[in-house]
Amino acid sequence: EIVLTQSPGTLSLSPGERATLSCRASESVNNRYLAWYQQKPGQAPRLLIYDASNKATGIPARFSGSGSGTDFTLTISRLEPEDFAVYYCHQYSSSPQTFGQGTKVEI
Amino acid sequence: EVQLVQSGAEVKKPGESLKISCQGSGYTFTNYWIGWVRQMPGKGLEWMGFIYPRDSDTRYSPSFQGQVTISADKSINTAYLQWSSLKASDIAMYYCGRSSGRRDFDYWGQGTLVTVSS
Repeated sequence: EIVLTQSPGTLSLSPGERATLSCRASESVNNRYLAWYQQKPGQAPRLLIYDASNKATGIPARFSGSGSGTDFTLTISRLEPEDFAVYYCHQYSSSPQTFGQGTKVEI
Repeated sequence: EVQLVQSGAEVKKPGESLKISCQGSGYTFTNYWIGWVRQMPGKGLEWMGFIYPRDSDTRYSPSFQGQVTISADKSINTAYLQWSSLKASDIAMYYCGRSSGRRDFDYWGQGTLVTVSS
């Protein structure tokens, strides 16, 4: 099973700042089969990025994903108030699929 | 518009059985996998398994194999997650999600809260 470790656990930033979230895999994620989701309190997760760097439909340009192999990054170029949430990475390269433990982006 | 609508919150006693549902609309239900994800109170997301409604091909995470059963009825565009004997440790929010080719979840249900209490 691929273990995904996200860091930091909590990121304290202000609106307008840049957020850089990391997701490290215990073994290589083939084909860059990694996604990022945003979850706000009381809501279902929302897909942001798939295949490491492709934006899902309707996702603002300030969100971007990068990486390959075992190291992946989600970047939010300039935080908007609505971006404060928990972010999860998810690998679907091998079974069982797994999620990271999450990074909370807080004000 | 693609939608996944899950059944409502449940309160059950330990040892009782339960089946929750996820109904898809706005797309061809048999062309996509439906996955189930657990979120325990205050915790992260856990992948439980998938089903392909066209032929009921089902895959489970080893952590959930034997603990739950995933099924689907393609005639009514609905996938299910069921327990034969609930435990207190099953208390969680359960989400279904749509996936193309057993990949990312592009649409999610609203979640079903399962509470188990004597």
